[in-house]
Amino acid sequence: GDSVTQMEGPVTLSEEAFLTINCTYTATGYPSLFWYVQYPGEGLQLLLKATKADDKGSNKGFEATYRKETTSFHLEKGSVQVSDSAVYFCALSSYSSASKIIFGSGTRLSIRP
Amino acid sequence: GAVVSQHPSRVICKSGTSVKIECRSLDFQATTMFWYRQFPKQSLMLMATSNEGSKATYEQGVEKDKFLINHASLTLSTLTVTSAHPEDSSFYICSAPDGRGREGTDTQYFGPGTRLTVL
Repeated sequence: GDSVTQMEGPVTLSEEAFLTINCTYTATGYPSLFWYVQYPGEGLQLLLKATKADDKGSNKGFEATYRKETTSFHLEKGSVQVSDSAVYFCALSSYSSASKIIFGSGTRLSIRP
Repeated sequence: GAVVSQHPSRVICKSGTSVKIECRSLDFQATTMFWYRQFPKQSLMLMATSNEGSKATYEQGVEKDKFLINHASLTLSTLTVTSAHPEDSSFYICSAPDGRGREGTDTQYFGPGTRLTVL
């Protein structure tokens, strides 16, 4: 079945550092790919998404490119801030999964001032 | 963007009682809603798919008689945890797709979650 594998955390970086959180997926067909973020004490929020190969999703300085050849959707940000501290979930949804969201295990990110 | 609400946000109950959690899509209609469970510092695990006008579809290992789901209207789904026990304590989250894309590309909107504590 469909699945998502993402980099295990926790990840701790200094402010203004470059961030990469790796995510790879397994799916039949052509899934849509998502990054969700969960800030402390809050619900899940959609951060960005890409619905077809080579699409780049971007939001709040974060970017991820849908790479079909490597089945990856790595999350990147050039300069992180303390306010980016949260848990990040890579996820997919596909026709074969009947629009269910399949989540990765989550990566906890902590940014030091 | 679209908004999904959940009520209550927190609930504490005694073992053996039943608890109902509501999930509402506030500005769009959702023929399908999803219920997830999240344990501390873990990912979201899909419990079931709630279908308006028909029975819910449960994931493997989820007891349908314990977690009753009713999709009463195009904007409301309820999850009832029956005869709750301490091991049912968890964070329950619902989501609804906005139905604007082809299947699999819809944007899912998540509720803020309900923290259930069973004493």
